Amino acid sequence: DAGVTQSPTHLIKTRGQHVTLRCSPISGHKSVSWYQQVLGQGPQFIFQYYEKEERGRGNFPDRFSARQFPNYSSELNVNALLLGDSALYLCASSSGGARTETQYFGPGTRLLVL
Amino acid sequence: AQSVTQLDSQVPVFEEAPVELRCNYSSSVSVYLFWYVQYPNQGLQLLLKYLSGSTLVKGINGFEAEFNKSQTSFHLRKPSVHISDTAEYFCAVSEIQGAQKLVFGQGTRLTINP
Repeated sequence: DAGVTQSPTHLIKTRGQHVTLRCSPISGHKSVSWYQQVLGQGPQFIFQYYEKEERGRGNFPDRFSARQFPNYSSELNVNALLLGDSALYLCASSSGGARTETQYFGPGTRLLVL
Repeated sequence: AQSVTQLDSQVPVFEEAPVELRCNYSSSVSVYLFWYVQYPNQGLQLLLKYLSGSTLVKGINGFEAEFNKSQTSFHLRKPSVHISDTAEYFCAVSEIQGAQKLVFGQGTRLTINP
């Protein structure tokens, strides 16, 4: 069975641009979460979506937004990119979004902002 | 709010030696506890989790962890490490209520020397 997939794998943007990152969860999983991992640090929670509704939001500015589609895939959008947005963006899926469930992580999208 | 402190940023160990990776957490509410491993250029993989019950939790690849509520610790141990255990290890907590949000420590790089 396919795991969590993310696209693209790598991306280079310049300051001020917009970026869209995509995530396909494991088949049957209805919850998707997004994390940002800056080099040398642990991942930080950005969003959780379950059944197309936002369930949680981390401490990120409004430049960050996300949505979940009827097929449970998800997009993370970042506007007005800053140098500090350079990071590995991880997507994780779980079956029903409960706190006890295991989150399965994708390989991530590495974003470099120049 | 929760926070996680991994007390060692790097741990070098000889092959077949035992290892302990330390994790302390802070939270005003009850939490679930997790250990994840990240191999180079990959996403995170769950090693084990503590939800309730026995404080000694066994995970994959021979790892185990012990929850100590009085010391707010969740240290990870393995009695004999292999070269293939070289990776970054992350301790994480999640509130038992609310969004499926993991709060990670900054990670411990485990290096196995032959």
